[in-house]
Amino acid sequence: DIVMTQSPDSLALSLGERATINCKSGQSVLYNSNNKNYLAWYQQKPRQPPQLLIYWASTRASGVPDRFSGSGSGTDFTLTISSLQPEDVAVYYCHQYYDAPYTFGQGTKLELK
Amino acid sequence: QVQLVQSGAEVKKPGASVKVSCKASGNSFNVYYIHWLRQAPGQGPEWMGWINPSTGGTKYAGRFQGRVTLTRDTSVSTVYMELSSLKSDDTAVYYCASVPPLRPADYHMDVWGKGTTVTVSS
Repeated sequence: DIVMTQSPDSLALSLGERATINCKSGQSVLYNSNNKNYLAWYQQKPRQPPQLLIYWASTRASGVPDRFSGSGSGTDFTLTISSLQPEDVAVYYCHQYYDAPYTFGQGTKLELK
Repeated sequence: QVQLVQSGAEVKKPGASVKVSCKASGNSFNVYYIHWLRQAPGQGPEWMGWINPSTGGTKYAGRFQGRVTLTRDTSVSTVYMELSSLKSDDTAVYYCASVPPLRPADYHMDVWGKGTTVTVSS
């Protein structure tokens, strides 16, 4: 199984600050034949299902504000929120869909300071 | 875009089975691979398996092999997840989620059901 490890486990920032969440996979999730990283980011708020933010490591899903961006390749990935808004308080998960069993990181809880 | 509507909460005793449904509406049922995941309290999502609604083909996570069965009924655009030999640590919210239409199973899951809470307690 591909282990996904996120850091930090939690993060407390002020409104307008930049948030950076890291994700490391136990093996590369870059598929060489199409040069795509099979890596997604999800946001989850209490009592709601996860919501897709980013796929292919850096493509924003429909309707996602452009303050959210994803970067990285191979085994190291980053989710960045450029200017924290109140509605961004949530838990964020990275997820690999390169190989079954598809796995998720343990989550990063983002709070307001 | 497809919408996924799941069945209601369940309470089961240890050793019993549970069957959760996920009805797809809004677009052609057969073109979306459907994944099933669960999320225990305070934990991240855990993938259980997928079903191809067109063929009925399935793939399961090894840790659930032999205990989980995914099926579909194309006449009502519904897929089902049955989990047997329930234990207390099967208590979780169970989700169905789909990938974009006409895409393979190993694709990002972009539409999720609202979840079904399954509680296992004696």
